[in-house]
Amino acid sequence: NAGVTQTPKFRVLKTGQSMTLLCAQDMNHEYMYWYRQDPGMGLRLIHYSVGEGTTAKGEVPDGYNVSRLKKQNFLLGLESAAPSQTSVYFCASSKWGLSYNEQFFGPGTRLTVL
Amino acid sequence: QQQVKQSPQSLIVQKGGISIINCAYENTAFDYFPWYQQFPGKGPALLIAIRPDVSEKKEGRFTISFNKSAKQFSLHIMDSQPGDSATYFCAALRQGAQKLVFGQGTRLTINP
Repeated sequence: NAGVTQTPKFRVLKTGQSMTLLCAQDMNHEYMYWYRQDPGMGLRLIHYSVGEGTTAKGEVPDGYNVSRLKKQNFLLGLESAAPSQTSVYFCASSKWGLSYNEQFFGPGTRLTVL
Repeated sequence: QQQVKQSPQSLIVQKGGISIINCAYENTAFDYFPWYQQFPGKGPALLIAIRPDVSEKKEGRFTISFNKSAKQFSLHIMDSQPGDSATYFCAALRQGAQKLVFGQGTRLTINP
């Protein structure tokens, strides 16, 4: 049981390049999330998904796109990377429920855009 | 607009001391308040959480104190240990939303 995994762990991009971050969970969770973590800013929600085939915008969605074609995977795409997207990206997942369910986080992807 | 404000940004405590981290929120619709702990190079992990119908929750050396009227809550770590050195995030959630709003984080260092 690996929990939430993220690939890659590190990546360096040049401005204007594109890339996709992959998140996978093996806990059969309905909800999945993408956050970015910046010093002094905490974790900010980029996009999230409440089920396969559905996505929604979070707090800071500009410059990112997501897809949830399979329940266990949640992809985050950067079409044209900018230095402002240098950050550590975390994926998380949680069960569906009427009350709060714990979010389980992956180990993160450190992205640098030059 | 930061909906959850956390302080201090960094904190140094001697081993055996009490670590206190404070958070304040604005949205009265929030009804669940978790704390996450993050070690370097790792993702955050749930540490302890509280609902506003209680004023305190304790799990081992970790205690959340909640003041609904002041819209504030805090994390107390008793008998702080070097292994507690980590970044701590408070967060808030509105029921049904399933979207956490995080504070800015506090980097805690426990000196041996």
